[in-house]
Amino acid sequence: EPEVTQTPSHQVTQMGQEVILRCVPISNHLYFYWYRQILGQKVEFLVSFYNNEISEKSEIFDDQFSVERPDGSNFTLKIRSTKLEDSAMYFCASSEAGLAGAYQETQYFGPGTRLLVL
Amino acid sequence: LAKTTQPISMDSYEGQEVNITCSHNNIATNDYITWYQQFPSQGPRFIIQGYKTKVTNEVASLFIPADRKSSTLSLPRVSLSDTAVYYCLVFNPGGYNKLIFGAGTRLAVHP
Repeated sequence: EPEVTQTPSHQVTQMGQEVILRCVPISNHLYFYWYRQILGQKVEFLVSFYNNEISEKSEIFDDQFSVERPDGSNFTLKIRSTKLEDSAMYFCASSEAGLAGAYQETQYFGPGTRLLVL
Repeated sequence: LAKTTQPISMDSYEGQEVNITCSHNNIATNDYITWYQQFPSQGPRFIIQGYKTKVTNEVASLFIPADRKSSTLSLPRVSLSDTAVYYCLVFNPGGYNKLIFGAGTRLAVHP
C-alpha cells in the first residue's frame, strides 16, 4: 500500500537555527498538508498546498514558516528561525484530487518528524 | 465547521465491541463525518467516513442517525492493538479541506 514518508524521523536543533522537514507524498496525490502536534496536545493544521501554491494556512503558519515542492516528489516545510515552542511532532499528509461537492478525499498521514528545539 | 464532542477516555476488554459516540449538533447540510485513529508517536490514520445511515468497512462501522447530530463509531471485538486515540471530525467536502482535530477519545483495551 502506498504511504507518505517523512525524513528525518527525529531532528534536534538549537533555537534560532533553520530546519527543513521533508516529506514524500503518495505519488498520484495532488493536495498536500502539514500538521503539527505538541506533546500531549491536539493535532493542529498548519498549511495546505495545491498546484504549487498555498491554499490555506493557519495562524500558526507565520512568516517563519514556508513550504515548497522543489521537484515532482518532495514536499518540504522550512522553519527559518526555530523557537522553543516549535518543538513538536510534524506530520505531512496528502490526498488525491477532490471531487468538489462530493466527498472529502481521505488524507493520508506520514509517520511524522519529531522536532526538538533546545 | 461544526464543533464535535466525544468522551475523553474509554476502557474496554479484548473481544468486546466498543462504541464511541460523537456529538456534532451544529453539523451543516453538506458536512461529512470522518473518524481517524492515532497510535502514540504516529500519524493519524483514516478509519471510516459517512454522511448518513450506516457505513461499514473491514475495520469499523459508523452509525449516523437521521438528524445527523451525532455519530457512533463501532469497533467489533477489539484487541490490545486497538488501544489508541480516536478522533471524530466534521468537514465540508472539497479538494483541499483542512482537518480540525479535537482532543479525541483515548481508548484503552485491557487483557
